[in-house]
Amino acid sequence: AQTVTQSQPEMSVQEAETVTLSCTYDTSESNYYLFWYKQPPSRQMILVIRQEAYKQQNATENRFSVNFQKAAKSFSLKISDSQLGDTAMYFCAFMIAGTASKLTFGTGTRLQVTL
Amino acid sequence: KAGVTQTPRYLIKTRGQQVTLSCSPISGHRSVSWYQQTPGQGLQFLFEYFSETQRNKGNFPGRFSGRQFSNSRSEMNVSTLELGDSALYLCASRSAGETQYFGPGTRLLVL
Repeated sequence: AQTVTQSQPEMSVQEAETVTLSCTYDTSESNYYLFWYKQPPSRQMILVIRQEAYKQQNATENRFSVNFQKAAKSFSLKISDSQLGDTAMYFCAFMIAGTASKLTFGTGTRLQVTL
Repeated sequence: KAGVTQTPRYLIKTRGQQVTLSCSPISGHRSVSWYQQTPGQGLQFLFEYFSETQRNKGNFPGRFSGRQFSNSRSEMNVSTLELGDSALYLCASRSAGETQYFGPGTRLLVL
């Protein structure tokens, strides 16, 4: 079974600063995907970024980037130039590649961006 | 393209009743997955439907069931509601790719 661990229940960062959220996972699979989703107070789950395990290059999406360390089974999210709108719960998720697959989520990190 | 829609957004039921939640996927998406989110258990996978067939199921009792229609819309049903079924129920759709796009959720309160 796959597990996803987010060891930081809460984090705080000042506006315009950079913050890194941690995620580790455990799997015996070799072909999989990793995701970061954001859930603001509205509870809508929004995709932030995704990473294919077979790609060595770290994914980036504007101010969001990941540090994917496959051997260490680590997948951290870096948010640069933090904005008040980044305040949300952030979930790391894992999915085995294939047609009939599911997302396995971590417990989430609550990020507060302050002035 | 319109996003994933879920109805109703909020629901209050009493123990023993049953409930049906609806999810309309993004146009062209044939896969619909359901997740339950609670403070205690976090986000848990319920089931996935593709082309009207359930092809994956999570570890939930038989009181939780679902179906998918030919237009890819999906419903999930919970019978004999228990207090512990109070949760946010999230629906997600995807096309041939691996990325799941979520709807706004249905918040169910069981009294």
